[in-house]
Amino acid sequence: SQTIHQWPATLVQPVGSPLSLECTVEGTSNPNLYWYRQAAGRGLQLLFYSVGIGQISSEVPQNLSASRPQDRQFILSSKKLLLSDSGFYLCAWDGQGRSGYTFGSGTRLTVV
Amino acid sequence: ELKVEQNPLFLSMQEGKNYTIYCNYSTTSDRLYWYRQDPGKSLESLFVLLSNGAVKQEGRLMASLDTKARLSTLHITAAVHDLSATYFCAVELGSSASKIIFGSGTRLSIRP
Repeated sequence: SQTIHQWPATLVQPVGSPLSLECTVEGTSNPNLYWYRQAAGRGLQLLFYSVGIGQISSEVPQNLSASRPQDRQFILSSKKLLLSDSGFYLCAWDGQGRSGYTFGSGTRLTVV
Repeated sequence: ELKVEQNPLFLSMQEGKNYTIYCNYSTTSDRLYWYRQDPGKSLESLFVLLSNGAVKQEGRLMASLDTKARLSTLHITAAVHDLSATYFCAVELGSSASKIIFGSGTRLSIRP
């Protein structure tokens, strides 16, 4: 069966520090992968999506970047965090159209 | 640009009552998803609606899709406290890499 792993679960980082969040998928190949952000009490905003290794599409201009170094690995990064980067970050894969999107457990990032 | 609007955004209801959450979207799409999110948690897939007229039911929840009206509904029958959560609809924007755009969510609180 397919599973999606995301870590860390919680992160507190100072302003100006770097960020690296990792997401991996098991049990499938060539998945479409997505990063979403959810601000407190709000909906989900699509940040990046990837259809394959090295292929990244950005949805909104921001302080973040994404990379896909391996087929089942998707990384969200920042060189210098801003206070506004705080939020709940969710990785997802699209289930190849069969069962809808599956989300990881999320990373709660607080920038202080 | 695809826009997804949910209403109401907040709903407080008594146990045993029925209610409906509405999801309108602005461009043509044949796939719509409903998710549940408990506080501090990730998203759980509830329903995947893949065609016009699709209706799916799970327990006290029933979802339907009218692609011509660009409308989906999530109906709650005889609500119980365990259904308290935030519910999101999401619409798929198809292209070479499908991606889903979320509504703002409906925060449902069911009181005894």
